[in-house]
Amino acid sequence: AQSVTQLDSQVPVFEEAPVELRCNYSSSVSVYLFWYVQYPNQGLQLLLKYLSGSTLVESINGFEAEFNKSQTSFHLRKPSVHISDTAEYFCAVSPINDYKLSFGAGTTVTVRA
Amino acid sequence: EAQVTQNPRYLITVTGKKLTVTCSQNMNHEYMSWYRQDPGLGLRQIYYSMNVEVTDKGDVPEGYKVSRKEKRNFPLILESPSPNQTSLYFCASSLSGGDEQFFGPGTRLTVL
Repeated sequence: AQSVTQLDSQVPVFEEAPVELRCNYSSSVSVYLFWYVQYPNQGLQLLLKYLSGSTLVESINGFEAEFNKSQTSFHLRKPSVHISDTAEYFCAVSPINDYKLSFGAGTTVTVRA
Repeated sequence: EAQVTQNPRYLITVTGKKLTVTCSQNMNHEYMSWYRQDPGLGLRQIYYSMNVEVTDKGDVPEGYKVSRKEKRNFPLILESPSPNQTSLYFCASSLSGGDEQFFGPGTRLTVL
């Protein structure tokens, strides 16, 4: 079985400041890793994913996440946030040979001017 | 437009009255799944299906049933709803395990 821990439930941040959302996981097998974003009153959308290869993955809107196998982490970062980045962010893991997707509890990011 | 649809979007019902939440996808995805979202708990998987007639339990299957008779549809059935099933429910689909999951808009269920 696998589990996901998102270390911060709420992250307030000023516009144009950097943000880091922390995610740690535990699993007895190799996993795929995902970050999903949920904007207010909407469903979830994939932000980025790590399947294999380069441990640094990027999204089209400036987010990046780094897979660290030794620390079993997949932290999400953005160097400069916008008001429109206000949302809830979920880290998720899936065993490579399984369809099961396990989510963290979520981190609410509130960007203020 | 590629999408996952859910109906109804909002539902208020009473304890014990059977209900079905429908989910349909038009992307020919093999994999479909149901989640419930509760504050502070994130999303928890209820049931998933790897293909037609193949379903399996997720983390919180108690009180729910599913069926997968057609590839595009994956209804969630609550035979006897209880107040602790009040939640926001999401259906999702993907081409296969490890692929991006596409989520529906959600169904907010209140059981009185």
